[in-house]
Amino acid sequence: GEDVEQSLFLSVREGDSSVINCTYTDSSSTYLYWYKQEPGAGLQLLTYIFSNMDMKQDQRLTVLLNKKDKHLSLRIADTQTGDSAIYFCAEISGGGSYIPTFGRGTSLIVHP
Amino acid sequence: DTAVSQTPKYLVTQMGNDKSIKCEQNLGHDTMYWYKQDSKKFLKIMFSYNNKELIINETVPNRFSPKSPDKAHLNLHINSLELGDSAVYFCASSQGTASEQFFGPGTRLTVL
Repeated sequence: GEDVEQSLFLSVREGDSSVINCTYTDSSSTYLYWYKQEPGAGLQLLTYIFSNMDMKQDQRLTVLLNKKDKHLSLRIADTQTGDSAIYFCAEISGGGSYIPTFGRGTSLIVHP
Repeated sequence: DTAVSQTPKYLVTQMGNDKSIKCEQNLGHDTMYWYKQDSKKFLKIMFSYNNKELIINETVPNRFSPKSPDKAHLNLHINSLELGDSAVYFCASSQGTASEQFFGPGTRLTVL
């Protein structure tokens, strides 16, 4: 089946930028998403990008998509302690099944 | 107003019991999902309903049976609970099958 890979942990200092990376295998991916999960809570959609875009900016968040390399990244500018959470990359295939595939999540730890 | 709600939030039960988790969404969405998140935070889709019809049925034991009485509700019934069923179960909804999903807060199921 299709696969979405993320590194498991990222540690940054407060005020620095964080970059969370994701790779996927489905070449027919149409939508790619970033979700945030805080401890004990459900997933919250942060942002998404269509496969025909290569960048999307939303306040402190910048999403970059390299479709050729099947690489997606989420950059968080001026990272705050409240950004500490697990970040999930997800993709939905355009192949007709519309089965969403999630990465295993990257735990972002922000320290003072 | 809660967009996607689940009950109960916590469920502790003995092996062999039958239990149900309820999900309701007030977003007017036509598609609802059940996900299982294991102890390693791996999130895997189990079922999806679109307009009350089952459209995604991933490889899960027959002991799991979803029921959608109407578009706003998708309940999950689990028979003969096993230790391995312990996980957090998330309900989600979306408008259409290829758009962003809104998640409920999760139900933490512990089977003793």
